[in-house]
Parts: sequence; C-alpha cells; structure tokens
Amino acid sequence: GAGVSQSPRYKVAKRGQDVALRCDPISGHVSLFWYQQALGQGPEFLTYFQNEAQLDKSGLPSDRFFAERPEGSVSTLKIQRTQQEDSAVYLCASSRVGTRGFNEQFFGPGTRLTVL
Amino acid sequence: AQSVTQPDIHITVSEGASLELRCNYSYGATPYLFWYVQSPGQGLQLLLKYFSGDTLVQGIKGFEAEFKRSQSSFNLRKPSVHWSDAAEYFCAVYFNKFYFGSGTKLNVKP
Repeated sequence: GAGVSQSPRYKVAKRGQDVALRCDPISGHVSLFWYQQALGQGPEFLTYFQNEAQLDKSGLPSDRFFAERPEGSVSTLKIQRTQQEDSAVYLCASSRVGTRGFNEQFFGPGTRLTVL
Repeated sequence: AQSVTQPDIHITVSEGASLELRCNYSYGATPYLFWYVQSPGQGLQLLLKYFSGDTLVQGIKGFEAEFKRSQSSFNLRKPSVHWSDAAEYFCAVYFNKFYFGSGTKLNVKP
C-alpha cells in the first residue's frame, strides 16, 4: 500500500475487555515496530519484529500485552484484560531493512485506545 | 540510560518568524539523532536525521538542525515559519531502539 495503515483508528473498551489492534506495514518492509504514546508524551518502544520473528519485546509493559506477525507482514497487538492505564495511542512503524529501524521508519496514524 | 529532553512543552510563534526547538540528550557516545513531526491524526514524519559528519543537517520543509556535542544538543530551526508548520515535534535518539522526547507543540499565530 501507499503507507502504513492501522485499524481500528479508535477503540473504546471497558476495563477487563480484550482488544486487538492491527497494523498493515508497507509492502515488503522487513522490520515492524509497535510504540505506545500516552497523552502528552512521546512514543515509547514496545516491541520489534524482523519478518515473523519477534526479536525484541522488552518494552511490553506487562504479560497482558502480546504481539504477533505470523506471516511476516500484518501484525496484531493484543491487550488482555485492559486497564485504564492502557489508554494511549498505539503506533505502528515499518522499515525497509532488517536493522532494527536504523533506516527510516514509516509510521502509521495510530490507534487511539480508551479504556473506561 | 538514554534519555531525550525537550524542555519546551508549548511554543507559539508568529507566521514568518524564526523558530528554534530545543532538544538535549543523555548518551555516552555520539548518538544517531532524529526530528519527527506529528500533525493531528497523522503518523510521525521524519524531518531530518544526523548520523555523522557535518553537524548542520538539512531536512524537509525548510527545517535544519545542528548537532552540538559539547552541549549534548540537537536543536531544530526554521528561518521563517508557515501556518502549516503548526504540529507537534519530537526529537529522538537511536541506540538499538528509538527513544523519543516528550514533544513540543508548535502554535503559529497569523
């Protein structure tokens, strides 16, 4: 596609619900990243994929957060038993080469998650 | 630990005036430095980056930034601001992963 797309753009969940956020990277991009951006803050790294391999998940805040990229293209970030502190914008980015994003990352518009 | 500080949360400038957004980083070596812009509802867009060499780097949309090792700074500048530059600007450092500052929101007065 023309750019990185994310869906849904907005998600409202009740506390305790599970949510799934989708990222469609630019076609052919090897690297994929997830970030969490809290209100008034900069993005914070969550996890990194090189093709289908999750090479770094050090930023995932708890074991309620899980990400996958089974075929090395589309990725899903899943949050189980959502809490209010999970409310944030979740950004996805992709990069052409597999060097942990050292080259330019292209960001999607984000999914704004609100947990009530 | 790596950190990035953007001391100005909000800045307002008049259209046509010059702009400087401050960024300081904490890192033990020469970092890879970036500036991104985020417009409402849009993804982050790369303005410019510094890896090595000339400490004054040019970016898109007329922006430039200067790396000053002695001050651990990488300030973003533009000689004449346009109304369309109103957005939020993020400085970032790369060390195995990206570390972003908390951002500076730029308002442009007509």
